[in-house]
Amino acid sequence: DTEVTQTPKHLVMGMTNKKSLKCEQHMGHRAMYWYKQKAKKPPELMFVYSYEKLSINESVPSRFSPECPNSSLLNLHLHALQPEDSALYLCASSQDWTPYEQYFGPGTRLTVT
Amino acid sequence: DQQVKQNSPSLSVQEGRISILNCDYTNSMFDYFLWYKKYPAEGPTFLISISSIKDKNEDGRFTVFLNKSAKHLSLHIVPSQPGDSAVYFCVGGGADGLTFGKGTHLIIQP
Repeated sequence: DTEVTQTPKHLVMGMTNKKSLKCEQHMGHRAMYWYKQKAKKPPELMFVYSYEKLSINESVPSRFSPECPNSSLLNLHLHALQPEDSALYLCASSQDWTPYEQYFGPGTRLTVT
Repeated sequence: DQQVKQNSPSLSVQEGRISILNCDYTNSMFDYFLWYKKYPAEGPTFLISISSIKDKNEDGRFTVFLNKSAKHLSLHIVPSQPGDSAVYFCVGGGADGLTFGKGTHLIIQP
């Protein structure tokens, strides 16, 4: 099973809402990632969790709050987002932090109104 | 500063012919390189990788060539099939994780 699942597939939220994105993998991978992808741009790394601990935060605004409840799950909590935060949010996992290939989920298409 | 450059935003190839996607990089610290394929509304799918100490890796229809002295790599797809139409990302990997190029949109013509 090389699948990374993400829910929801689509999310529309207002600027005052609080919502969460969920990601799950059952490959026994010890590293998990959040990326943000805008249209016609490559994915940009937001956060890296390694062995359930946050190891990289790429200067992401605090309105994005990651959480890793266990080795299979990764959440991204959203609060007070801006319209420019609208994007495809991708979750990925890999066997370990580096130098392993990452497996991506299908993404959550987020629209902030 | 773009560490991974894919200078062709799009490439059109006839079905059955060879597709060659090119990539240049500036960061000598990359330990390995990967190619990902992406369909619209889906996450990137890992295709093939190559260690920085190798010059070629082959997997079925896909072959990646690495020229370290030129800081250049290429992905060859032979023969090209309609399902290969997608955006292909060249990616450098190292201690800082993955660095994506901007992607090349490959279009396979019937």
